Amino acid sequence: GAVVSQHPSRVICKSGTSVKIECRSLDFQATTMFWYRQFPKQSLMLMATSNEGSKATYEQGVEKDKFLINHASLTLSTLTVTSAHPEDSSFYICSAPRQPNTEAFFGQGTRLTVV
Amino acid sequence: AQKITQTQPGMFVQEKEAVTLDCTYDTSDPSYGLFWYKQPSSGEMIFLIYQGSYDQQNATEGRYSLNFQKARKSANLVISASQLGDSAMYFCAMREGYFTGTASKLTFGTGTRLQVTL
Repeated sequence: GAVVSQHPSRVICKSGTSVKIECRSLDFQATTMFWYRQFPKQSLMLMATSNEGSKATYEQGVEKDKFLINHASLTLSTLTVTSAHPEDSSFYICSAPRQPNTEAFFGQGTRLTVV
Repeated sequence: AQKITQTQPGMFVQEKEAVTLDCTYDTSDPSYGLFWYKQPSSGEMIFLIYQGSYDQQNATEGRYSLNFQKARKSANLVISASQLGDSAMYFCAMREGYFTGTASKLTFGTGTRLQVTL
């Protein structure tokens, strides 16, 4: 079964509103989680690294004020897309490694559509 | 420069045949890991196989095997006895550096869409 759970799987929101996406590790503690974005027919691009108890590390070109990341506990990281616009429509997916040097488990992904 | 290169945007294979999906990588770090993930139309990322840079033998997981050629910096995925359910996008990814107690990010290639036909 899934070891990383992501919700919601799909969300449609109006332009200007904010959307929160949750990523939970189900049976392990994840001090670090990763948030990726994937445009249609493209690869996954890392947006940010979520660190439990400290600030997230954002990749170059990712607006930290627009994509707020909170890693408040060892099993939960949230990504909030603030003041969403149609160009933010994309597939967002989180991942967490259960242990160092092992594969990263991915959540189911969230398909965001901003209308 | 691209760190992970997948040169095949799309591949077709007949059911029960074997197929090789190409992946080359670029890194100056002697310690790295290579991954293959399958992404069906639902979007989930399914881990298939992992190869560490210091692993002496090629990784195998059921019908999946990784043809690791370190000198050529290639890590091709071989799927044997293809099934219709293997139709999906396949991504090669790399993690650079060994880490002690902290996790490291993955860099993905552009993917190969595999279509298995009858």
